[in-house]
Amino acid sequence: AQTVTQSQPEMSVQEAETVTLSCTYDTSESDYYLFWYKQPPSRQMILVIRQEAYKQQNATENRFSVNFQKAAKSFSLKISDSQLGDAAMYFCAYTTQGAQKLVFGQGTRLTINP
Amino acid sequence: DAGVIQSPRHEVTEMGQEVTLRCKPISGHDYLFWYRQTMMRGLELLIYFNNNVPIDDSGMPEDRFSAKMPNASFSTLKIQPSEPRDSAVYFCASSPGTRYQETQYFGPGTRLLVL
Repeated sequence: AQTVTQSQPEMSVQEAETVTLSCTYDTSESDYYLFWYKQPPSRQMILVIRQEAYKQQNATENRFSVNFQKAAKSFSLKISDSQLGDAAMYFCAYTTQGAQKLVFGQGTRLTINP
Repeated sequence: DAGVIQSPRHEVTEMGQEVTLRCKPISGHDYLFWYRQTMMRGLELLIYFNNNVPIDDSGMPEDRFSAKMPNASFSTLKIQPSEPRDSAVYFCASSPGTRYQETQYFGPGTRLLVL
């Protein structure tokens, strides 16, 4: 079965510092996609970043970047220069080509301390 | 584009009543998904459609739940009769759907409370 594990229920970081959120997944597929979604208190699910498994280069979106370790089945999210607006639940998610459904981790609640 | 639109945003009902949640996907998206979020089970897929056809409904909890997509711009998720354990946030999402899985874009969700 496909599973996604986020081992950190909660994380906190000082404003302007860097924080890394962990995610591991389990799959026997070779072609798949990984995502980080952000859910602020409004509960809207917002895409932060995505990574195609066949790409070796780590994805980057402004202050957000990932460390994708395919052999280790690890997909961590790094947030640089943390801002108060980054405070939210962060969900790691996974899907395979053709499966057409997202499997989510349990989430990590990120707090930004001013 | 306005994004995925869901209504109502909040719904409070009594046990045994029928509840209908509505979703308008992003225009041009071929895939529509219904998810449920609870504290106990997290985010889980209920059902998804491709070109208005239900493809996988294995996540639908039981016969009390039904979903339809009569056209490309509208879908409903119905619970009849509702029970307190159905209380959750229900999300609709859509994606363009190509040869490879595309990003899913989520609506704001409907917070359902069944008393």
